[in-house]
Parts: sequence; structure tokens; C-alpha cells
Amino acid sequence: GAVVSQHPSRVICKSGTSVKIECRSLDFQATTMFWYRQFPKQSLMLMATSNEGSKATYEQGVEKDKFLINHASLTLSTLTVTSAHPEDSSFYICSASSGYSNQPQHFGDGTRLSIL
Amino acid sequence: GDSVTQMEGPVTLSEEAFLTINCTYTATGYPSLFWYVQYPGEGLQLLLKATKADDKGSNKGFEATYRKETTSFHLEKGSVQVSDSAVYFCALSDLGRRDSSYKLIFGSGTRLLVRP
Repeated sequence: GAVVSQHPSRVICKSGTSVKIECRSLDFQATTMFWYRQFPKQSLMLMATSNEGSKATYEQGVEKDKFLINHASLTLSTLTVTSAHPEDSSFYICSASSGYSNQPQHFGDGTRLSIL
Repeated sequence: GDSVTQMEGPVTLSEEAFLTINCTYTATGYPSLFWYVQYPGEGLQLLLKATKADDKGSNKGFEATYRKETTSFHLEKGSVQVSDSAVYFCALSDLGRRDSSYKLIFGSGTRLLVRP
């Protein structure tokens, strides 16, 4: 099946640091990638949708200057949490879709971000 | 708007017991329906899907039938194993749209704990 690789799997850093998370589709071209945030024991909250070569579409309440998303190629999207603070600590998950009808999203293994 | 409602967990079962996790949905169009599974510390894996009414998705002994008349997509397994312990998410997406956003709308997730 389709494989999505997310890196790093875990990050621990000091408050004020910017953190970049990569999401790669390894065996298919991902025209659309999605970034989610998951709080402990809760469901996934969609943060933004990105299409290759265009600006990301952010969900209501998500700060676009805080969470920078780049989708420069059909196999790579990045999420940068800028000037991270403890309240940004969470589990971030990306997914990718080929965009063809009836093709589901395929998820990465997630990144656990801990800001001290 | 579209929504997904899942039964609250946790669901605790003994090994080899029968499993049902209820899922109902509200949608204006004709969505595709999915079950995803999340093992501890990992991202989501697609378990099964159904794209139209009366379709039955099945995988690894799990199955779910797309019931348009009751707007339901209940997950069942005849005999659970300890290794099935995870969080299960029901989701819908209107994959018929041509704008390629294909957003997934998730239920709140149901934690399953299978005891030996």
C-alpha cells in the first residue's frame, strides 16, 4: 500500500525554537497533503490543506504565521512551527492523497512535539 | 455540515469476544466512509472503506457495511485479539468532489482494550 514517511518522530526543544516537520509520499505523487493536530485521547483536528505549488488553506482558528506550510513538490510537504511555546506541544500527523477519485488519505506515523 | 458520531469508549473486551463499534454520519452528499486504526504512538492506518450504499468493506477480520437508510457504518469483528487493542476512528469524505481537497471528517475515536 501507499507509504507516507514523516520525520522526525519525536522532537524535544526549548521554548522559542522553530521546528520543521517533513512529510514525504514514498511511492505515489501527492497532489494534496493535510496536516492534523491531535491532543491526548482526542480526535484529529485538521489544521490545513496544501496542494502542490500553491498556498495552503488553513482551517479557522489556525494561525498561518505560526504554522508555516510548504508543499514545493509532489512528494514533500513541510510544517514549520515557528517560535514554539509549551502550548504548541502536541502530536502532529500528516497525510497525503493522490487526489484521484476514491483514493483515501494515507497517514504518516506522526511527530510528537514537546516544548520545554 | 457533515459530521461523524462514534460510540464513546473505552470498550473493554475479552479475547475472542465479538466487537461492534457504532458509527453514524450526517452528510449532504454521497460520502465515502472509512475506518482508520491508530496504535499507541503511531499515525493512522486505513483499516477499510466503502464508497457507496450497501458496500461492505473488510480487512483483517473487520468489516463494516455502508447503510444509507440508517446513515451508519458500524465496525464489527467476530473474534478480537489482544493485538486489536487500539483507537478506531470512523471518518467520511466526499471523494466525488473535483476540487481535490477531499477533507476527512473524523469521529471522536473509540478506544478498544482487549484483555487476554
